[in-house]
Amino acid sequence: DQQVKQNSPSLSVQEGRISILNCDYTNSMFDYFLWYKKYPAEGPTFLISISSIKDKNEDGRFTVFLNKSAKHLSLHIVPSQPGDSAVYFCAARVFSGGGADGLTFGKGTHLIIQP
Amino acid sequence: DSGVTQTPKHLITATGQRVTLRCSPRSGDLSVYWYQQSLDQGLQFLIQYYNGEERAKGNILERFSAQQFPDLHSELNLSSLELGDSALYFCASSVNGDSYEQYFGPGTRLTVT
Repeated sequence: DQQVKQNSPSLSVQEGRISILNCDYTNSMFDYFLWYKKYPAEGPTFLISISSIKDKNEDGRFTVFLNKSAKHLSLHIVPSQPGDSAVYFCAARVFSGGGADGLTFGKGTHLIIQP
Repeated sequence: DSGVTQTPKHLITATGQRVTLRCSPRSGDLSVYWYQQSLDQGLQFLIQYYNGEERAKGNILERFSAQQFPDLHSELNLSSLELGDSALYFCASSVNGDSYEQYFGPGTRLTVT
């Protein structure tokens, strides 16, 4: 049962344009959503997060949007740069009374920025 | 560089064997998480330790165990290895047990032959 889904295994975008990566989830108990970026032979790197009580968070070229009613979030990268080519993982966390659990990850989207 | 170190980088072993993977968290971080990334399953949470105590458990097999030592480094022990255990194993750390911001190490690639 995949609680976090990234339905696009890959996405190709021209340099300078907007990249939009999508993520759907099923668990209403998730309280934080995160995006991680991963280059080959490296561990995932934290990019940006959003609390479940917000609908938007911005950090430089990166903006994450959360639509709770649709259980959907997206990561916008504007403008896209060659260094953005990587695998992007959507992740989510459940916080219960006993504390936070580990992150639940999607399977990732490989973003390719074309020159 | 996240500040999280993992050793070894690569490990090749045979079925039935036992291996130990090691992780040192970022300086000041008290919590350590272990994740497994296999081709078909993506990144799966295995287990979390906070200041030496087990804090949360995910999809960890009974053949796998972990511990966190007083100096806060952690070890993941995998025994009776099967071909399906071949995967990338990541360690992550966070400041405390409730922080959503986790910093990942470079991973250990385990190949079981």
